[in-house]
Amino acid sequence: DAGVIQSPRHEVTEMGQEVTLRCKPISGHNSLFWYRQTMMRGLELLIYFNNNVPIDDSGMPEDRFSAKMPNASFSTLKIQPSEPRDSAVYFCASSWTYTQYFGPGTRLTVL
Amino acid sequence: EDQVTQSPEALRLQEGESSSLNCSYTVSGLRGLFWYRQDPGKGPEFLFTLYSAGEEKEKERLKATLTKKESFLHITAPKPEDSATYLCAVYRRNTDKLIFGTGTRLQVFP
Repeated sequence: DAGVIQSPRHEVTEMGQEVTLRCKPISGHNSLFWYRQTMMRGLELLIYFNNNVPIDDSGMPEDRFSAKMPNASFSTLKIQPSEPRDSAVYFCASSWTYTQYFGPGTRLTVL
Repeated sequence: EDQVTQSPEALRLQEGESSSLNCSYTVSGLRGLFWYRQDPGKGPEFLFTLYSAGEEKEKERLKATLTKKESFLHITAPKPEDSATYLCAVYRRNTDKLIFGTGTRLQVFP
């Protein structure tokens, strides 16, 4: 059984460019979460969806960040324009009950 | 304000040297406490969920316990493959959000 799938695994881009991160949750899970992990701040929740509907985006740092979930098997996190301080590992997680299962993450480097 | 604090930040053990990791929490209405393991370059891997004070869960060399203010992750006779960062997180009632601690980085030397 495939776990949460994220792509790309690594992304290097230049400041000002648009970045799109992708996530495929575990089949049958109805909640999806986007996190950001840095050494300084640890794991931070950015936004989460329930049944494809955004429920809480209070963790999204700025208007430069946006997330969508067009269907139950796909979500994107977009940063436009990207800045060096956005460099971090971005994780997607999905759940059916309380337990969240994480993907392998996307390591983003903004030069 | 909901808060999760883990200690120590880092722990070095000899193989076979048992120890405990601590997770203290302040949350209004605990729905559940979670332990995850994270290896370098990977996502957090679910280990345990504890729901009420007095509850215990075991998995191989790991045992998690819960009180009203804190949780412990006991590691018995650790092996080098137990080296990882261990994360604690709590769910508050009436929310779907996990609040994570900053983790304990465990290194076990042969």
